[in-house]
Amino acid sequence: AQSVTQLDSQVPVFEEAPVELRCNYSSSVSVYLFWYVQYPNQGLQLLLKYLSGSTLVESINGFEAEFNKSQTSFHLRKPSVHISDTAEYFCAVSQFGNEKLTFGTGTRLTIIP
Amino acid sequence: DGGITQSPKYLFRKEGQNVTLSCEQNLNHDAMYWYRQDPGQGLRLIYYSQIVNDFQKGDIAEGYSVSREKKESFPLTVTSAQKNPTAFYLCASSIPLAGTLGEQFFGPGTRLTVL
Repeated sequence: AQSVTQLDSQVPVFEEAPVELRCNYSSSVSVYLFWYVQYPNQGLQLLLKYLSGSTLVESINGFEAEFNKSQTSFHLRKPSVHISDTAEYFCAVSQFGNEKLTFGTGTRLTIIP
Repeated sequence: DGGITQSPKYLFRKEGQNVTLSCEQNLNHDAMYWYRQDPGQGLRLIYYSQIVNDFQKGDIAEGYSVSREKKESFPLTVTSAQKNPTAFYLCASSIPLAGTLGEQFFGPGTRLTVL
């Protein structure tokens, strides 16, 4: 069985400051990892994903995440946040050959002007 | 434009009534999913379908039913047996196993409120 833990339910950050949203997973086999973003009253949008290859993956809007197999983590980072980054962020994991995703409980990122 | 549509955006239901939520996709995806989202609980899988005329229960299927008669459509019925149906419901679809594994595309959601 696979599981995902997002320890921080809420993260307040000042505008232009760096941020890290933590995600740890548990699985007995190889995994694929995802970060989704949800803006208020909307569906989820894929932010970035790790399938294989380079352990550092980047999104088009400045977020990055690093797959760390030894620590079973996939933390999301951004060096300088903007007001428009205010949203809820979900980490998700799936196992090879299984299309089902298991989601974390989400982290609400609030940007303070 | 390709995508997933869900209707209606907001839905109100009286206790004891069944209600059906619509989900349509034109992405030519084989797999479709229904999730329920409650504050602080993330997304929980209700049902999923990997092919037409076949579907499987997810983690919280009790009180829900689905059908998959067409590739493009995966409606969800919330029955009167669902004890606490007020929630935000999200539909998703994914490309076949031969492509990117596990990446799901989401619709805008339907917020169901039971009065």
